[in-house]
Amino acid sequence: AQSVTQLDSHVSVSEGTPVLLRCNYSSSYSPSLFWYVQHPNKGLQLLLKYTSAATLVKGINGFEAEFKKSETSFHLTKPSAHMSDAAEYFCVVSDRASNTGKLIFGQGTTLQVKP
Amino acid sequence: DTAVSQTPKYLVTQMGNDKSIKCEQNLGHDTMYWYKQDSKKFLKIMFSYNNKELIINETVPNRFSPKSPDKAHLNLHINSLELGDSAVYFCASSQEEGVRSYNEQFFGPGTRLTVL
Repeated sequence: AQSVTQLDSHVSVSEGTPVLLRCNYSSSYSPSLFWYVQHPNKGLQLLLKYTSAATLVKGINGFEAEFKKSETSFHLTKPSAHMSDAAEYFCVVSDRASNTGKLIFGQGTTLQVKP
Repeated sequence: DTAVSQTPKYLVTQMGNDKSIKCEQNLGHDTMYWYKQDSKKFLKIMFSYNNKELIINETVPNRFSPKSPDKAHLNLHINSLELGDSAVYFCASSQEEGVRSYNEQFFGPGTRLTVL
């Protein structure tokens, strides 16, 4: 069965410093992985997705993630945090076993950006 | 030009009532979903429809009934509301092109349901 584990429930960084949000996955298939962001009282927006092409995936707003099969990880990074990055971030795996499009969400990581 | 819209945005109601949440997408997608986000922000799929056909039905009380009049709409009706139904409900849609699991889902803004 597919699953994702976000290793930090809360991450705090200063504006202008790098961001690292960690995600490990478990999948018996070659996974499809996504990062979504949820700003307060808003819906979810796709940041980036991995679908077995390039292992380094670039997304919107300067975010990127690297798929590492040997470590079963898909960590999200950004070189320099901006105040507007403060939000909830979800690592997501698609349930390829069922081929229904079902998404399985991690528990979420709250990113706090301090001035 | 909203892609996925939901109404209402907020819904406050008494236990035992019946309520509906509506979802519409103008992206031309053929698959729509309902997710529930609990107070700890955990998101879990409830239902999915593809071209008006139910394809995902997770372990959800049968008080919850999705209805898809056409592929652009997926409504959620909830009977006999309980305190535990309080949550944020998100609608999403995706376009099926080949393998479903590759396709990103587009989410609506959510409906915050509060049951008193």
